[in-house]
Amino acid sequence: EVQLLESGGGLVQPGGSLRLSCAASGFTFSNYAMSWVRQAPGKGLEWVSDISGSGGSTYYADSVKGRFTISRDNSKNTLYLQMNSLRVEDTAVYYCAKDPEQLIPRGCFDPWGLGILVTVSS
Amino acid sequence: DIQMTQSPSSLSASVGVRVTITCRASQSISSYLNWYQQKPGKAPKLLIYAASSLQSGVPSRFSGSGSGTDFTLTISSLQPEDFATYYCQQSYSTPRTFGQGTKLEIK
Repeated sequence: EVQLLESGGGLVQPGGSLRLSCAASGFTFSNYAMSWVRQAPGKGLEWVSDISGSGGSTYYADSVKGRFTISRDNSKNTLYLQMNSLRVEDTAVYYCAKDPEQLIPRGCFDPWGLGILVTVSS
Repeated sequence: DIQMTQSPSSLSASVGVRVTITCRASQSISSYLNWYQQKPGKAPKLLIYAASSLQSGVPSRFSGSGSGTDFTLTISSLQPEDFATYYCQQSYSTPRTFGQGTKLEIK
Protein backbone atom coordinates (compact mmCIF):
# COMPACT_ATOMS: atom_id res chain seq x y z
CA GLU A 1 0.00 0.00 0.00
CA VAL A 2 1.31 3.43 -0.94
CA GLN A 3 1.81 5.71 2.05
CA LEU A 4 2.96 9.31 2.19
CA LEU A 5 3.58 10.98 5.54
CA GLU A 6 4.46 14.65 5.85
CA SER A 7 6.37 16.15 8.76
CA GLY A 8 8.16 19.37 9.70
CA GLY A 9 5.27 21.79 9.81
CA GLY A 10 4.48 24.24 12.56
CA LEU A 11 4.41 27.90 13.51
CA VAL A 12 7.07 30.21 12.10
CA GLN A 13 7.47 33.98 12.01
CA PRO A 14 7.35 35.92 8.75
CA GLY A 15 10.75 35.80 7.10
CA GLY A 16 11.58 32.49 8.74
CA SER A 17 12.32 29.07 7.27
CA LEU A 18 10.95 25.55 7.54
CA ARG A 19 11.78 22.26 5.84
CA LEU A 20 8.96 19.85 5.15
CA SER A 21 9.63 16.15 4.64
CA CYS A 22 7.44 13.48 3.08
CA ALA A 23 8.34 9.87 3.86
CA ALA A 24 7.17 7.51 1.12
CA SER A 25 6.60 3.76 1.23
CA GLY A 26 4.88 1.04 -0.71
CA PHE A 27 6.29 1.86 -4.16
CA THR A 28 9.57 2.32 -6.03
CA PHE A 29 10.07 5.95 -5.06
CA SER A 30 12.67 6.84 -7.68
CA ASN A 31 10.34 5.85 -10.55
CA TYR A 32 7.74 8.51 -9.80
CA ALA A 33 7.50 12.26 -10.03
CA MET A 34 6.37 13.88 -6.80
CA SER A 35 4.65 17.15 -5.97
CA TRP A 36 3.72 19.56 -3.22
CA VAL A 37 0.22 21.08 -3.22
CA ARG A 38 -1.10 23.45 -0.58
CA GLN A 39 -4.45 24.62 0.70
CA ALA A 40 -4.88 27.82 2.68
CA PRO A 41 -7.51 27.63 5.45
CA GLY A 42 -10.97 27.54 3.91
CA LYS A 43 -9.58 27.98 0.39
CA GLY A 44 -8.98 25.87 -2.71
CA LEU A 45 -6.01 23.85 -3.86
CA GLU A 46 -2.79 25.48 -5.11
CA TRP A 47 0.00 23.56 -6.81
CA VAL A 48 3.40 24.49 -5.36
CA SER A 49 6.11 22.38 -7.00
CA ASP A 50 6.97 19.22 -8.95
CA ILE A 51 10.13 17.14 -9.11
CA SER A 52 10.99 14.34 -11.52
CA GLY A 53 11.81 10.85 -10.34
CA SER A 54 15.55 11.37 -10.72
CA GLY A 55 15.37 14.82 -9.15
CA GLY A 56 16.91 16.35 -12.24
CA SER A 57 13.89 18.46 -13.18
CA THR A 58 11.99 20.78 -10.89
CA TYR A 59 9.09 23.18 -11.41
CA TYR A 60 7.62 25.89 -9.21
CA ALA A 61 4.60 28.13 -8.90
CA ASP A 62 5.46 31.79 -9.41
CA SER A 63 4.23 32.50 -5.87
CA VAL A 64 7.09 30.44 -4.36
CA LYS A 65 9.81 30.62 -7.00
CA GLY A 66 13.10 31.77 -5.53
CA ARG A 67 11.92 31.10 -1.96
CA PHE A 68 11.05 27.39 -1.94
CA THR A 69 13.22 24.48 -3.07
CA ILE A 70 11.94 20.98 -3.78
CA SER A 71 14.33 18.05 -3.54
CA ARG A 72 14.34 14.32 -2.96
CA ASP A 73 16.62 11.65 -1.54
CA ASN A 74 15.82 8.46 -3.41
CA SER A 75 18.04 6.43 -1.08
CA LYS A 76 15.82 7.49 1.82
CA ASN A 77 12.49 7.47 -0.07
CA THR A 78 11.92 11.02 1.10
CA LEU A 79 10.68 14.20 -0.57
CA TYR A 80 11.53 17.63 0.82
CA LEU A 81 10.35 21.21 0.56
CA GLN A 82 12.72 23.86 1.89
CA MET A 83 10.72 27.01 2.52
CA ASN A 84 12.60 30.27 3.07
CA SER A 85 11.48 33.89 3.42
CA LEU A 86 8.07 32.69 4.54
CA ARG A 87 5.11 35.05 4.27
CA VAL A 88 1.78 35.17 6.04
CA GLU A 89 0.15 34.11 2.77
CA ASP A 90 2.14 30.85 2.81
CA THR A 91 -0.02 29.67 5.71
CA ALA A 92 -1.66 26.46 4.51
CA VAL A 93 -1.90 22.72 4.81
CA TYR A 94 0.87 21.30 2.63
CA TYR A 95 0.29 17.97 0.94
CA CYS A 96 2.83 15.80 -0.78
CA ALA A 97 1.46 13.77 -3.64
CA LYS A 98 2.66 11.12 -6.03
CA ASP A 99 2.16 11.05 -9.77
CA PRO A 100 0.21 7.86 -10.50
CA GLU A 101 2.25 6.92 -13.57
CA GLN A 102 5.77 5.49 -13.57
CA LEU A 103 8.52 7.10 -15.63
CA ILE A 104 6.26 9.28 -17.83
CA PRO A 105 4.31 11.52 -15.45
CA ARG A 106 0.65 12.27 -16.04
CA GLY A 107 0.85 15.52 -14.16
CA CYS A 108 -1.89 14.58 -11.72
CA PHE A 109 -1.76 13.60 -8.08
CA ASP A 110 -2.60 10.26 -6.51
CA PRO A 111 -2.40 9.45 -3.72
CA TRP A 112 -1.90 12.39 -1.40
CA GLY A 113 -0.42 12.46 2.07
CA LEU A 114 -2.45 13.46 5.09
CA GLY A 115 -1.09 17.00 4.95
CA ILE A 116 0.85 19.14 7.41
CA LEU A 117 -0.08 22.60 8.64
CA VAL A 118 2.33 25.48 8.21
CA THR A 119 1.37 28.69 10.00
CA VAL A 120 3.28 31.89 9.30
CA SER A 121 2.46 34.48 11.91
CA SER A 122 4.12 36.93 14.28
CA ASP B 1 -0.92 30.58 -16.92
CA ILE B 2 -4.00 28.51 -17.76
CA GLN B 3 -7.05 29.56 -15.74
CA MET B 4 -9.57 26.91 -14.76
CA THR B 5 -13.14 27.96 -14.02
CA GLN B 6 -15.69 25.62 -12.49
CA SER B 7 -19.44 26.02 -12.39
CA PRO B 8 -21.42 26.07 -10.32
CA SER B 9 -19.43 27.06 -7.21
CA SER B 10 -21.96 25.26 -5.07
CA LEU B 11 -24.75 22.85 -5.72
CA SER B 12 -27.52 21.39 -3.61
CA ALA B 13 -28.87 18.03 -4.70
CA SER B 14 -30.73 14.98 -3.41
CA VAL B 15 -29.56 11.40 -3.13
CA GLY B 16 -30.22 9.46 -6.29
CA VAL B 17 -30.17 12.33 -8.76
CA ARG B 18 -27.75 12.90 -11.63
CA VAL B 19 -25.33 15.78 -11.15
CA THR B 20 -23.02 17.53 -13.62
CA ILE B 21 -20.16 19.88 -12.80
CA THR B 22 -18.47 21.91 -15.52
CA CYS B 23 -14.86 23.03 -15.85
CA ARG B 24 -13.61 25.46 -18.48
CA ALA B 25 -9.97 26.14 -19.37
CA SER B 26 -8.77 29.53 -20.56
CA GLN B 27 -7.04 27.84 -23.53
CA SER B 28 -7.09 24.42 -25.11
CA ILE B 29 -5.63 21.72 -22.89
CA SER B 30 -6.51 18.75 -25.11
CA SER B 31 -7.56 16.00 -22.66
CA TYR B 32 -5.13 16.93 -19.88
CA LEU B 33 -7.86 17.39 -17.30
CA ASN B 34 -8.24 15.67 -13.94
CA TRP B 35 -10.97 15.65 -11.30
CA TYR B 36 -10.60 15.29 -7.52
CA GLN B 37 -12.99 14.84 -4.62
CA GLN B 38 -12.20 16.33 -1.21
CA LYS B 39 -14.13 15.74 2.00
CA PRO B 40 -13.77 18.07 5.00
CA GLY B 41 -10.49 17.60 6.84
CA LYS B 42 -9.24 15.02 4.33
CA ALA B 43 -6.79 14.99 1.48
CA PRO B 44 -8.15 15.15 -2.06
CA LYS B 45 -8.70 11.92 -3.99
CA LEU B 46 -8.21 11.50 -7.72
CA LEU B 47 -11.41 10.43 -9.47
CA ILE B 48 -10.84 10.96 -13.18
CA TYR B 49 -7.64 11.54 -15.18
CA ALA B 50 -7.10 12.44 -18.81
CA ALA B 51 -10.63 13.86 -18.95
CA SER B 52 -12.47 10.54 -19.05
CA SER B 53 -10.38 7.75 -17.50
CA LEU B 54 -11.69 6.41 -14.21
CA GLN B 55 -8.99 6.04 -11.57
CA SER B 56 -8.72 2.55 -10.12
CA GLY B 57 -11.10 1.94 -7.25
CA VAL B 58 -13.44 4.83 -8.07
CA PRO B 59 -17.12 3.86 -8.43
CA SER B 60 -18.46 3.71 -11.97
CA ARG B 61 -21.17 6.28 -11.20
CA PHE B 62 -18.44 8.89 -11.71
CA SER B 63 -17.60 9.79 -15.31
CA GLY B 64 -15.81 12.56 -17.12
CA SER B 65 -15.99 13.95 -20.62
CA GLY B 66 -14.74 16.78 -22.77
CA SER B 67 -11.67 17.99 -24.59
CA GLY B 68 -10.15 21.28 -25.61
CA THR B 69 -11.54 23.85 -23.21
CA ASP B 70 -14.81 22.40 -21.89
CA PHE B 71 -15.12 19.45 -19.53
CA THR B 72 -17.74 17.84 -17.33
CA LEU B 73 -17.80 15.56 -14.32
CA THR B 74 -21.02 13.58 -13.97
CA ILE B 75 -22.25 11.59 -11.02
CA SER B 76 -24.99 9.35 -12.36
CA SER B 77 -26.82 8.69 -9.09
CA LEU B 78 -25.71 10.66 -6.06
CA GLN B 79 -24.86 8.64 -2.97
CA PRO B 80 -24.61 10.03 0.58
CA GLU B 81 -20.82 9.63 0.53
CA ASP B 82 -20.54 11.83 -2.60
CA PHE B 83 -21.28 15.06 -0.77
CA ALA B 84 -17.93 16.82 -0.91
CA THR B 85 -16.02 19.49 -2.81
CA TYR B 86 -14.85 18.70 -6.33
CA TYR B 87 -11.88 20.26 -8.11
CA CYS B 88 -10.71 20.12 -11.69
CA GLN B 89 -6.98 20.45 -12.50
CA GLN B 90 -5.13 20.84 -15.77
CA SER B 91 -1.96 18.84 -16.41
CA TYR B 92 -1.26 20.33 -19.85
CA SER B 93 1.47 22.64 -18.60
CA THR B 94 3.09 24.12 -15.53
CA PRO B 95 2.02 25.86 -13.46
CA ARG B 96 -0.52 23.17 -12.80
CA THR B 97 -3.75 24.96 -11.99
CA PHE B 98 -6.95 23.98 -10.23
CA GLY B 99 -10.48 25.21 -10.54
CA GLN B 100 -11.89 27.05 -7.54
CA GLY B 101 -13.95 24.05 -6.47
CA THR B 102 -17.60 23.03 -6.49
CA LYS B 103 -19.18 22.28 -3.13
CA LEU B 104 -21.86 19.62 -3.43
CA GLU B 105 -24.31 19.71 -0.55
CA ILE B 106 -27.28 17.63 0.50
CA LYS B 107 -30.71 19.04 -0.38
